[in-house]
Amino acid sequence: GENVEQHPSTLSVQEGDSAVIKCTYSDSASNYFPWYKQELGKRPQLIIDIRSNVGEKKDQRIAVTLNKTAKHFSLHITETQPEDSAVYFCAASSYGTGNQFYFGTGTSLTVIP
Amino acid sequence: DTEVTQTPKHLVMGMTNKKSLKCEQHMGHRAMYWYKQKAKKPPELMFVYSYEKLSINESVPSRFSPECPNSSLLNLHLHALQPEDSALYLCASSRDSGAGTDTQYFGPGTRLTVL
Repeated sequence: GENVEQHPSTLSVQEGDSAVIKCTYSDSASNYFPWYKQELGKRPQLIIDIRSNVGEKKDQRIAVTLNKTAKHFSLHITETQPEDSAVYFCAASSYGTGNQFYFGTGTSLTVIP
Repeated sequence: DTEVTQTPKHLVMGMTNKKSLKCEQHMGHRAMYWYKQKAKKPPELMFVYSYEKLSINESVPSRFSPECPNSSLLNLHLHALQPEDSALYLCASSRDSGAGTDTQYFGPGTRLTVL
């Protein structure tokens, strides 16, 4: 089955700096890669996703890049703000997984004002 | 309505109690999910319903019993739970296009404490 690894597990940045979180996956059939943000006590919320027919997707300060050859994808947050502080999870899924997401282990991001 | 709702928000139960968690969505999604989540860990998949039929059971103990009465509702019946079952229980839903590329939308969760 699919195995998703996520690094780093914790990340602290100064407000205004950029943050990068990386995930690698094992199943070359995976073709959908969402990123979720979860604030303390709240639900996971989709912040951006990418499908395997594109290499990069951007939404304001957030971008995701996908390298299918190397089987990794990354979340980039620019101009970080304190409200970006949360746990971020990546995930991977494919046609063969029956609607199942394989989640990374999570990154706890702290933005220091 | 673009949200998944869950009730109750909090639940405290003893090991001999029977209780149920409820999840509802009105987005026309045909796949619904139960996840268990411990603090700062990723959600762990428990069950998947596709078109109201159980399609995935991740070897969950029988003290957890899912039910999908219709395409909008998902229940999780709890009986004889253990303290280690204390966690946040999340419901999610998605389209079921069969392509494996459907976004899952999560409910706010039920914080369960087993005494």
